[in-house]
Amino acid sequence: AQTVTQSQPEMSVQEAETVTLSCTYDTSESDYYLFWYKQPPSRQMILVIRQEAYKQQNATENRFSVNFQKAAKSFSLKISDSQLGDAAMYFCAYRRGGGSNYKLTFGKGTLLTVNP
Amino acid sequence: KAGVTQTPRYLIKTRGQQVTLSCSPISGHRSVSWYQQTPGQGLQFLFEYFSETQRNKGNFPGRFSGRQFSNSRSEMNVSTLELGDSALYLCASSRGDPGTYEQYFGPGTRLTVT
Repeated sequence: AQTVTQSQPEMSVQEAETVTLSCTYDTSESDYYLFWYKQPPSRQMILVIRQEAYKQQNATENRFSVNFQKAAKSFSLKISDSQLGDAAMYFCAYRRGGGSNYKLTFGKGTLLTVNP
Repeated sequence: KAGVTQTPRYLIKTRGQQVTLSCSPISGHRSVSWYQQTPGQGLQFLFEYFSETQRNKGNFPGRFSGRQFSNSRSEMNVSTLELGDSALYLCASSRGDPGTYEQYFGPGTRLTVT
């Protein structure tokens, strides 16, 4: 079974600084997708960034980028120029490849605090 | 385009009762997945429906069931509620086409069992 581990239950960062959230996963599959989701307090979970395992290039979305190390099964999220609105719980998630499997396996989450 | 909607948003039930939660996916989305979120267990996959068929099921007891209607709306039902069923229940929708992978989450239904 696939597992996703987020080793940092809580992180904090100063506004405008950079922070990196860690995620490791375990799978025997070769075709899969990785995601970072953001869940602000009492608000909806939204997709921050995604990475296809077959792509070597790290995904980026504006201030958000990932460091995908497939051999090490590591998938960290870097947030640059942190803003107050980035404060949230961040979940790393895994999904097997294939067209008919939409099950997401989540890590336990990292609570990010942004200090003004 | 309207997002994923879930009703009701909050629910209080008594142990032993049953409950039905509803999810309306984004227009055009045919896949609906359900997740249970608790402080202790985190986010756990319940089941996923596509075109009225259950495609995947998580490791939950048979008290948890669901269905999907022809308009893609989905309901999940929990019978004989236990205190441990208190959780935030999240619904996510996706187009469901092979190769698509983005899931959009609803705001959730907060179920409290007393």
